[in-house]
Amino acid sequence: DQQVKQNSPSLSVQEGRISILNCDYTNSMFDYFLWYKKYPAEGPTFLISISSIKDKNEDGRFTVFLNKSAKHLSLHIVPSQPGDSAVYFCAASAESGGGADGLTFGKGTHLIIQP
Amino acid sequence: EAGVTQFPSHSVIEKGQTVTLRCDPISGHDNLYWYRRVMGKEIKFLLHFVKESKQDESGMPNNRFLAERTGGTYSTLKVQPAELEDSGVYFCASSYQTYSEEFFGPGTRLTVL
Repeated sequence: DQQVKQNSPSLSVQEGRISILNCDYTNSMFDYFLWYKKYPAEGPTFLISISSIKDKNEDGRFTVFLNKSAKHLSLHIVPSQPGDSAVYFCAASAESGGGADGLTFGKGTHLIIQP
Repeated sequence: EAGVTQFPSHSVIEKGQTVTLRCDPISGHDNLYWYRRVMGKEIKFLLHFVKESKQDESGMPNNRFLAERTGGTYSTLKVQPAELEDSGVYFCASSYQTYSEEFFGPGTRLTVL
């Protein structure tokens, strides 16, 4: 049973518009969430993270929102740029449980930015 | 559907010893990838198998690391001899098509003392 779910395998967005990538989780022990961007033949590149004590974290064009009651988080990219085209992974960990290195990944969403 | 599994979940060894990590991909997935999270949040690519062949091993740090995938099913990653800087979490992922949807395993946390 997948503990971290990204239900959209792909998403197509026009350049300049907002991209919204969604992620749901089932394990209530997760208290730290990360988003990674990935190109083929490379390791996932860290983008942004959020602790469960917050409901929003912003870094430049990237904002992550966390809704703990719904066990849902989302990554907003605005404005979307062609270089944002990649696969985006949502990951979660139970930091307070000592699993600082262990991550549970979603299956990824392939974001395609159209000109 | 069973996911990607990795064994062991944790391993603690002394410097100079040998450790072998195992990854079982999802059945039917020809593509298998190894990654390493050493510190912080960054995760580095190590190598990519297509069936039993190494498609890309450009990320392997040195010749102390040996990956195999005999028969194109499970894969092993051996570190011999282990050094302190090899500590980290080693992730395995598999996919049906090359660099298509990748399914990540839970990782093996390696600690070298």
